[in-house]
Amino acid sequence: AQTVTQSQPEMSVQEAETVTLSCTYDTSESDYYLFWYKQPPSRQMILVIRQEAYKQQNATENRFSVNFQKAAKSFSLKISDSQLGDAAMYFCAYRRAQGGSEKLVFGKGTKLTVNP
Amino acid sequence: EPEVTQTPSHQVTQMGQEVILRCVPISNHLYFYWYRQILGQKVEFLVSFYNNEISEKSEIFDDQFSVERPDGSNFTLKIRSTKLEDSAMYFCASSMGQRNQPQHFGDGTRLSIL
Repeated sequence: AQTVTQSQPEMSVQEAETVTLSCTYDTSESDYYLFWYKQPPSRQMILVIRQEAYKQQNATENRFSVNFQKAAKSFSLKISDSQLGDAAMYFCAYRRAQGGSEKLVFGKGTKLTVNP
Repeated sequence: EPEVTQTPSHQVTQMGQEVILRCVPISNHLYFYWYRQILGQKVEFLVSFYNNEISEKSEIFDDQFSVERPDGSNFTLKIRSTKLEDSAMYFCASSMGQRNQPQHFGDGTRLSIL
């Protein structure tokens, strides 16, 4: 079974600074998708960024980028120029690419605080 | 931008009672999901639904749980006889279906069992 681990329960960053959230996963599959979701307090989970495992190039979305290390099974999220609105729970998630399960497997989440 | 909507936002129910959580997925989505998050724990998959039937369910999704798409727009999760340990945040999600397409989540329903 696939597992996703987020080793940082909480992180904090100063406004305008850069922060990196860690995620590792375990799978025997070679093709899969990885996602970072953001969940502001009392709000829905919103997709931040996604990565296809077959792509070597790291995904980027404006201030958000990932460092995808397939051999190490690592998928960290970097937030540049942090803003107060980035404060939220961040969840790393895994999904198989082929056959069987459609489900997302989540990590426990990292609570990000942005200090003014 | 279209959203997944869930009602109610908070449900308080006596243990042993039935509860129905409601979701309206995004209209052109084909796959529907329920997840739950017990306070302080991971978001866990419960069930996926496609073409009017369950496509996958987890071991959590036992005989006390059922899902239904009664009218082509709503997607419901019913818990027949609630237990204290069913207290959690329940999230509905929907997707187009292709695996590289993300699942879009609702705000969640906080279920409190007394």
